[in-house]
Amino acid sequence: DTEVTQTPKHLVMGMTNKKSLKCEQHMGHRAMYWYKQKAKKPPELMFVYSYEKLSINESVPSRFSPECPNSSLLNLHLHALQPEDSALYLCASSQTPGTSGRGEREQYFGPGTRLTVT
Amino acid sequence: AQKITQTQPGMFVQEKEAVTLDCTYDTSDPSYGLFWYKQPSSGEMIFLIYQGSYDQQNATEGRYSLNFQKARKSANLVISASQLGDSAMYFCAMRELNNNAGNMLTFGGGTRLMVKP
Repeated sequence: DTEVTQTPKHLVMGMTNKKSLKCEQHMGHRAMYWYKQKAKKPPELMFVYSYEKLSINESVPSRFSPECPNSSLLNLHLHALQPEDSALYLCASSQTPGTSGRGEREQYFGPGTRLTVT
Repeated sequence: AQKITQTQPGMFVQEKEAVTLDCTYDTSDPSYGLFWYKQPSSGEMIFLIYQGSYDQQNATEGRYSLNFQKARKSANLVISASQLGDSAMYFCAMRELNNNAGNMLTFGGGTRLMVKP
């Protein structure tokens, strides 16, 4: 099973709302990622979790709050977002970094959540 | 500094013909990996092919092959016998294996491929 699932597929929220995006994988991967992708642009890394600990935060505003409750789940809590935060939010997972290897450490992506902030 | 460059914002190809998508990269790390991903309009990023910096042979996966020219720092994707379902956005990405950021991917700007019937 090489599937990463994300819910919801679409989300519309107001600037005062609190919502959460969810991501799940059952491949035994211990690294999980959140990316933000604006239209016609490449994905931009937001957060990296390694062994359920936050290892990279790419200077993301605090209105985005990640959480990794266990090795299979990754959440992104959203609060007081701005219209410019509207984007496709992609979750990915991979084996954890180690000695160099072949494609075993490619990142598997979920289908994304299309977020619209009104 | 831009580490991955895809110079073709959009390309057309006739169905059943081959097409090459360009990718150049910049790194001082001797150990790195290069990836190609396909992103249809649905949004999911689909892994296509991987090339390691120490791999002696060019990677191939079905209709996809990677033309790896290490000295030129290029990793072009070749799609043979294009199909209508190949119409999508294609991203080249690199992972530097010796940096402390571990498994971070750096993406190029992407190339939109449109296959004509």
